[in-house]
Amino acid sequence: AQKITQTQPGMFVQEKEAVTLDCTYDTSDPSYGLFWYKQPSSGEMIFLIYQGSYDQQNATEGRYSLNFQKARKSANLVISASQLGDSAMYFCAMRDLDNFGNEKLTFGTGTRLTIIP
Amino acid sequence: GAVVSQHPSRVICKSGTSVKIECRSLDFQATTMFWYRQFPKQSLMLMATSNEGSKATYEQGVEKDKFLINHASLTLSTLTVTSAHPEDSSFYICRVGLAGPPLFFGPGTRLTVL
Repeated sequence: AQKITQTQPGMFVQEKEAVTLDCTYDTSDPSYGLFWYKQPSSGEMIFLIYQGSYDQQNATEGRYSLNFQKARKSANLVISASQLGDSAMYFCAMRDLDNFGNEKLTFGTGTRLTIIP
Repeated sequence: GAVVSQHPSRVICKSGTSVKIECRSLDFQATTMFWYRQFPKQSLMLMATSNEGSKATYEQGVEKDKFLINHASLTLSTLTVTSAHPEDSSFYICRVGLAGPPLFFGPGTRLTVL
């Protein structure tokens, strides 16, 4: 089974609207971390937000917030008041430990977000 | 400022040649660096984990003789694509193994093999 699932290959959103990008995960490790990265056409990976498995509150960073539902194993990214510059590829990633205790970082397949003027 | 640099940012080479990509940790010493490959419209896939002073650990399906990794210092890891072929054309990204968040990625190297 996939460890990180992003079910939306592409999304089109009107400028200034809010958008939610879905991410579900699977792990047996009680300690894990969830990341969201933005990748524009240049290819650089831009860190957006992080949620630790033991964090009690949902993470927020400016216009980005993470809707963390631990029981449902979901970590959706919410972008408020979208801007044209938000058009990019978005990746959800999970860091946990493998069966040998080594850190593993697993990426989802990504969602391409296009903001429409 | 940037924490991780990669050189070159873009390289075009002929089939059969070897290409070296450098990944430098600018502000921190890193005993571990990670190399990822990203094909167009796909996600990042871990190729190998580079360990300073020891052999790299390769993921299943990655040819260690084709993708040579050297981590000779705490700030530099190199990936050499030997006898490159068009199917090796991809975007290669390194990551420094520092405790995050955030996780520190290099800006990437776009390799095109003609």
